[in-house]
Amino acid sequence: DTGVSQDPRHKITKRGQNVTFRCDPISEHNRLYWYRQTLGQGPEFLTYFQNEAQLEKSRLLSDRFSAERPKGSFSTLEIQRTEQGDSAMYLCASSLRQGARETQYFGPGTRLLVL
Amino acid sequence: GQQLNQSPQSMFIQEGEDVSMNCTSSSIFNTWLWYKQDPGEGPVLLIALYKAGELTSNGRLTAQFGITRKDSFLNISASIPSDVGIYFCAGQPQAAGNKLTFGGGTRVLVKP
Repeated sequence: DTGVSQDPRHKITKRGQNVTFRCDPISEHNRLYWYRQTLGQGPEFLTYFQNEAQLEKSRLLSDRFSAERPKGSFSTLEIQRTEQGDSAMYLCASSLRQGARETQYFGPGTRLLVL
Repeated sequence: GQQLNQSPQSMFIQEGEDVSMNCTSSSIFNTWLWYKQDPGEGPVLLIALYKAGELTSNGRLTAQFGITRKDSFLNISASIPSDVGIYFCAGQPQAAGNKLTFGGGTRVLVKP
C-alpha cells in the first residue's frame, strides 16, 4: 500500500501525559499537512510542511503542540501535557503541487482519547 | 472555525435514488475537493475540481465547481448501500496558502 500511513491508529492517555504521533506521506509528495477533527465536524487545519520547512501554523496549535519533519519525509506531531480537550482524530495528508494543482490525500488518522 | 456551509446536514437515501449536496462559501476558492469519510477512517478523495465551471464525473459521482468560485455541488446517481457515510466538501483559498477549509459534512443514511 503506497498511501499515507499513520501510527498509532488509536491512543488512550491520561491527562498531563505527552503523546507523539507519526505520519508517513506518499513517497515523492513534498507537502505534508496535519489536521484535527472533533466528533461531528469537518477536519481543521493545524500546520503544514514543504519538505522539512514548517510554513504555516494555525492558531489552534497551542504551545503544547509541536510538529517536525526532520528529513522532509515522515513527520511527527507531539502534544505535551495533554488535556481532555485534545481528544480528537488527528489526520495527516500529503500532496505534490503540480503547476497550479494540488490534491491532498489523507491517512487513516490517529484517534486520541485523553482521560 | 469553518467557513463553508454544507447542506443538507443529513439525508436518507433509498437504493436507486439520486442524491445531491452542495457547499457555499463567502470566500473565493481556486480548488474544490469532495471527500467521503467512513467511521474511524480518514477522508477518501472522490473528486477534485480546479477550474470555475468545471464539471467532473467519477463513476456515479458528478461534481461541479461554481462559476462564482464560491460554491460546488456533488451528485450521486443510482445510490447503493455502500454510499452511506459522511461526505465533506473542502476548498483551497486563492491567496491564503494551501490549507483546506472543510464544510461540516453531509451524513448519508439508508432509509429504514
